[in-house]
Amino acid sequence: AQSVTQLGSHVSVSEGALVLLRCNYSSSVPPYLFWYVQYPNQGLQLLLKYTSAATLVKGINGFEAEFKKSETSFHLTKPSAHMSDAAEYFCAVSSSNNDMRFGAGTRLTVKP
Amino acid sequence: GAVVSQHPSRVICKSGTSVKIECRSLDFQATTMFWYRQFPKQSLMLMATSNEGSKATYEQGVEKDKFLINHASLTLSTLTVTSAHPEDSSFYICSARVPWGSETQYFGPGTRLLVL
Repeated sequence: AQSVTQLGSHVSVSEGALVLLRCNYSSSVPPYLFWYVQYPNQGLQLLLKYTSAATLVKGINGFEAEFKKSETSFHLTKPSAHMSDAAEYFCAVSSSNNDMRFGAGTRLTVKP
Repeated sequence: GAVVSQHPSRVICKSGTSVKIECRSLDFQATTMFWYRQFPKQSLMLMATSNEGSKATYEQGVEKDKFLINHASLTLSTLTVTSAHPEDSSFYICSARVPWGSETQYFGPGTRLLVL
């Protein structure tokens, strides 16, 4: 069985500060890992994905995530937060022939 | 990235009526599409997996006779909420899995259903 755990349902940062959203996964097979962002009343937009190539993955909007097998983590970071980054972020895990499983989500608030 | 559309974006209906939601992959063919339900401030709950040309696979606890899924073509899957009741009010999101590996799913914009 696969699962992800997002530590912190709500993260608040100041504009210009580092963004760090945590995700730990559990998988018995090599995983594919994803980060999605959801703005209010919208669907999910793919930020980035790890598919067993480079462990440091760069995505859209300046976000990146690093796959650390030893820590079973895939934390999302951005060096400098913008007001427009305020949204709900979901970490997800999948593998061949398996459904995608989502974390509970982390709401990011950016203070001016 | 791949584009998935959903229609309608918002629907209000009376209790007892049926509502159909369409999910389309616009620039790729999707043999597999997924239907999710999302309650306020919660994560996505997978309802069913829709495979083109075959019956959908429903998650435990999801009534297949209430949530009818049809995936008649490689670019279209539909979800019909039959005899809708107020407790069916929710945000329904579909996704399509790209056929070129990596298990990536691209999501539609969602449909807000309100049953009065």
